[in-house]
Amino acid sequence: ELKVEQNPLFLSMQEGKNYTIYCNYSTTSDRLYWYRQDPGKSLESLFVLLSNGAVKQEGRLMASLDTKARLSTLHITAAVHDLSATYFCSSGAGSYQLTFGKGTKLSVIP
Amino acid sequence: DVKVTQSSRYLVKRTGEKVFLECVQDMDHENMFWYRQDPGLGLRLIYFSYDVKMKEKGDIPEGYSVSREKKERFSLILESASTNQTSMYLCASSLFGERQPQHFGDGTRLSIL
Repeated sequence: ELKVEQNPLFLSMQEGKNYTIYCNYSTTSDRLYWYRQDPGKSLESLFVLLSNGAVKQEGRLMASLDTKARLSTLHITAAVHDLSATYFCSSGAGSYQLTFGKGTKLSVIP
Repeated sequence: DVKVTQSSRYLVKRTGEKVFLECVQDMDHENMFWYRQDPGLGLRLIYFSYDVKMKEKGDIPEGYSVSREKKERFSLILESASTNQTSMYLCASSLFGERQPQHFGDGTRLSIL
């Protein structure tokens, strides 16, 4: 059974600072996704990572995948208030089913 | 852009009622999914469908059923609603293929009294 763990679950960071969210998964996986969710809203797809060493960047967010370590990271550079949201990673292996982490609630404070 | 539309944003029903949650997507996606989201538990898959009239159980199918009569529409049915089914329900769709990203609707917040 695939398990996905994110840490931290809660993150309060100052504007302008850098930080990393970690996503570990328990078994071999062939894909890793990052989503963003704003309060009361649905999930928005941020990144799709499909191979070892994949790196994707969008604005102040950069995601990477290390399939050997079974680890994905979401790095935040020079945080701004607009990045405050809950971030989910999800992974799957060999079927349509995805397993989601519990989410990281990010608060960026002035 | 992909549009996944859920019929209600908020819904209040009573224990024992039969409840229908509807989801429609406009991008001709083969795969459709129903999740529930609860605080501290993340998203959990209830059912998914990879073709019309085809369905597969997810992690928590008990108390639920689904219907997919047309490609664009996927319905979640609570046969006899109970208070522990109070939750946020999210529908998603994706193109054929296991590695395609899923696109989510805005969710239905369902309260069972």
